[in-house]
Amino acid sequence: SAVISQKPSRDICQRGTSLTIQCQVDSQVTMMFWYRQQPGQSLTLIATANQGSEATYESGFVIDKFPISRPNLTFSTLTVSNMSPEDSSIYLCSVGLAGTEAFFGQGTRLTVV
Amino acid sequence: KNQVEQSPQSLIILEGKNCTLQCNYTVSPFSNLRWYKQDTGRGPVSLTIMTFSENTKSNGRYTATLDADTKQSSLHITASQLSDSASYICVVSPGAGKSTFGDGTTLTVKP
Repeated sequence: SAVISQKPSRDICQRGTSLTIQCQVDSQVTMMFWYRQQPGQSLTLIATANQGSEATYESGFVIDKFPISRPNLTFSTLTVSNMSPEDSSIYLCSVGLAGTEAFFGQGTRLTVV
Repeated sequence: KNQVEQSPQSLIILEGKNCTLQCNYTVSPFSNLRWYKQDTGRGPVSLTIMTFSENTKSNGRYTATLDADTKQSSLHITASQLSDSASYICVVSPGAGKSTFGDGTTLTVKP
């Protein structure tokens, strides 16, 4: 198993600003995933982050809006840039097990006002 | 198109009762199917992970079944408790490539 520490757990931000979410894992993992969960909906994959390479973004998500860093095998950050109220969601990181995500962080509840 | 459909969308049961949640999928190829429990405002927590060759897996009062032929899975909760109130999400993975998430079943257990 893996223990994931995600922070902040929640934040309220002004529109037009940016927020960086951190994800720390207690073991080395190859793949890390970033998800968004809008109110009342299931999880949507934003991007997959592998150490040493550019993140792979899903359709509808772009690097300028959601830049991701993956400096080592235990850490990643997701930045939500130039925020608008539509970005209000829960953002989750997840780590891979045998090539697929298996363990999730506690999530970051973001409210943009 | 890979899809995961869960039913019912929501369910209310009395404490102590049993219930069964359903998951039908069309994901191919198939590597594994996972059930998660997500409490409100928290991240999903894995309940069970099943591969193609497994047809039953238990985790305490939670028992998941898998029929890979009909591409159906169920999650049975025995002797429900108030703390079981949560969203239950079925996720199917093809191995290589993106997993497909169901929309979840919201379970409410009432005293």
